[in-house]
Amino acid sequence: AQKVTQAQTEISVVEKEDVTLDCVYETRDTTYYLFWYKQPPSGELVFLIRRNSFDEQNEISGRYSWNFQKSTSSFNFTITASQVVDSAVYFCALSEPYYGQNFVFGPGTRLSVLP
Amino acid sequence: DGGITQSPKYLFRKEGQNVTLSCEQNLNHDAMYWYRQDPGQGLRLIYYSQIVNDFQKGDIAEGYSVSREKKESFPLTVTSAQKNPTAFYLCASSIDRGAGNQPQHFGDGTRLSIL
Repeated sequence: AQKVTQAQTEISVVEKEDVTLDCVYETRDTTYYLFWYKQPPSGELVFLIRRNSFDEQNEISGRYSWNFQKSTSSFNFTITASQVVDSAVYFCALSEPYYGQNFVFGPGTRLSVLP
Repeated sequence: DGGITQSPKYLFRKEGQNVTLSCEQNLNHDAMYWYRQDPGQGLRLIYYSQIVNDFQKGDIAEGYSVSREKKESFPLTVTSAQKNPTAFYLCASSIDRGAGNQPQHFGDGTRLSIL
């Protein structure tokens, strides 16, 4: 069965600190997709990134970066120079289409960035 | 603007009452989804639909029903059989579901409480 683990339930940092959110997954398949979403206090989930299992290149988008390591089944998310507006719940999700299992979400990590 | 509209934002249910949550999308997406979110937990799939007039049960379908009579609409009914309906309900859509690689786009959610 699929499983997505986000071991950090809550994280608090002071503005301008760097912070890494961990995501570890379990899958039976060689073809799968990983996603990160942000849920601000308004409630809507905002799509941040998609990564397929064949692309292990790290990605950077502004202050956001993602580290995908198949060897450790991890897809970690780093925010550099955090800002108060980064305060949200962040979800990692796994999609394994071969087995018809789409979008299993992790429990989420609540990030609080303090001014 | 293209997006997903959920209504109402807040809903209260009396004992023995059925209530219906609305979800409308103008993204021309084929697939639509309903999730339930409980505090401290990830999203759990209730129902999904890949095409008009077709829908499938997710992981926690008991006590819920859906319809998909139009491509843009996917209402969720929380029936009296759902004994613990208090939760945050999120509707989502994606271009399609089959490949599993398409990101889902979410509405703002409906918060349902029991009176």
